Amino acid sequence: KAGVTQTPRYLIKTRGQQVTLSCSPISGHRSVSWYQQTPGQGLQFLFEYFSETQRNKGNFPGRFSGRQFSNSRSEMNVSTLELGDSALYLCASSPGQGEVYEQYFGPGTRLTVT
Amino acid sequence: AQKVTQAQTEISVVEKEDVTLDCVYETRDTTYYLFWYKQPPSGELVFLIRRNSFDEQNEISGRYSWNFQKSTSSFNFTITASQVVDSAVYFCALFSGGYNKLIFGAGTRLAVHP
Repeated sequence: KAGVTQTPRYLIKTRGQQVTLSCSPISGHRSVSWYQQTPGQGLQFLFEYFSETQRNKGNFPGRFSGRQFSNSRSEMNVSTLELGDSALYLCASSPGQGEVYEQYFGPGTRLTVT
Repeated sequence: AQKVTQAQTEISVVEKEDVTLDCVYETRDTTYYLFWYKQPPSGELVFLIRRNSFDEQNEISGRYSWNFQKSTSSFNFTITASQVVDSAVYFCALFSGGYNKLIFGAGTRLAVHP
């Protein structure tokens, strides 16, 4: 099975711009979660989608949003970028229902905001 | 409150030494899951183990072993006969309620020197 893929792998944006990151989960997995990793705050949960519905959301401002498509692929969007949004954004997939399964992570998108 | 504490920020050992990474968690839930992930320099989080709160059996997988003690709210990870390839950041994480939301510790950076 192919793993979780994220595109792009690297991104440089300017303050005030917006950005969209993409995540394709493992085939058959219906849950996609997003995490932000920074040196200062560590790994923080952004949100989770299952069957195109957001089921859980972390403590991030409304500038951070996401969606999931019918094929389980997910995108996250950050509007009005700030320098503090520079981070590694990780996407994880899991079956999403029934027992709690481990989440499988993608390689991440490294976003740099200048 | 739910929290994961990894008090060891960095550990440096020489190859073939045994090393234990500590993880202490906090949750009021009776049902919860604990995970360990490895993050090599490439950035991708690699799943190592999942343990639920009802299973206190220790687990061994090759050179890796885990000690889960509910009495002390700890889930420690030991690498026996460490190797240079074990060099990475290791994260302990807690799943406690909420859809696929993992709460991560700050991570322990392990450096294994030849």
